[in-house]
Amino acid sequence: EVQLVESGGGLVQPGGSLRLSCAASGFTFSSYWMSWVRQAPGKGLEWVANIKQDGSEKYYVDSVKGRFTISRDNAKNSLYLQMNSLRAEDTAVYYCARDDSSGWYWGQGTLVTVSS
Amino acid sequence: SYELTQPPSVSVSPGQTARITCSGDALPKQYAYWYQQKPGQAPVLVIYKDSERPSGIPERFSGSSSGTTVTLTISGVQAEDEADYYCQSADSSGTLRVFGGGTKLTVL
Repeated sequence: EVQLVESGGGLVQPGGSLRLSCAASGFTFSSYWMSWVRQAPGKGLEWVANIKQDGSEKYYVDSVKGRFTISRDNAKNSLYLQMNSLRAEDTAVYYCARDDSSGWYWGQGTLVTVSS
Repeated sequence: SYELTQPPSVSVSPGQTARITCSGDALPKQYAYWYQQKPGQAPVLVIYKDSERPSGIPERFSGSSSGTTVTLTISGVQAEDEADYYCQSADSSGTLRVFGGGTKLTVL
């Protein structure tokens, strides 16, 4: 069974940093693109970033370029999102997802709150 | 930046047919996916590659594509179908992902 478990969310001050992790199991992690998606309170889904199977290609939504970095460790079946220079508008539930042409599998999400 | 456009809301009575559209310039070139999200839950895939239905999804859910518009159709809507629905696709290069703004389906 495919499982994705996010962790690392919490309360952080504006300008601060946070690193999210996603532990994957139940599939061959190194065979799939992976994505991060976020959802601000009461708002819609917003794709944030994705990363190729071997980490050689990474893409970001414009609003996080230069501040967020996606990475992966295939040996640990783990996906990461390093978030720097956080802003109030980054407050959201962050989901990791298996980025698959047959449809995405999603984790349950981790809440990031940026507030002083 | 590339955008997908959905109606904010659709309302139907139980047993009727709901149609939710999603428009985007790259849709003739890129597959569309549909996700159902209920309050406090992660999204669930209901349609992939424009019109394919995953195992476990009821037959009343179907998808279609015509030009720059894709449509999610729910036939014989049930109360349990009340949820937010999001289309998802990619830009013309296939590298950047994008979601529509979401459509709230209300079952009257």
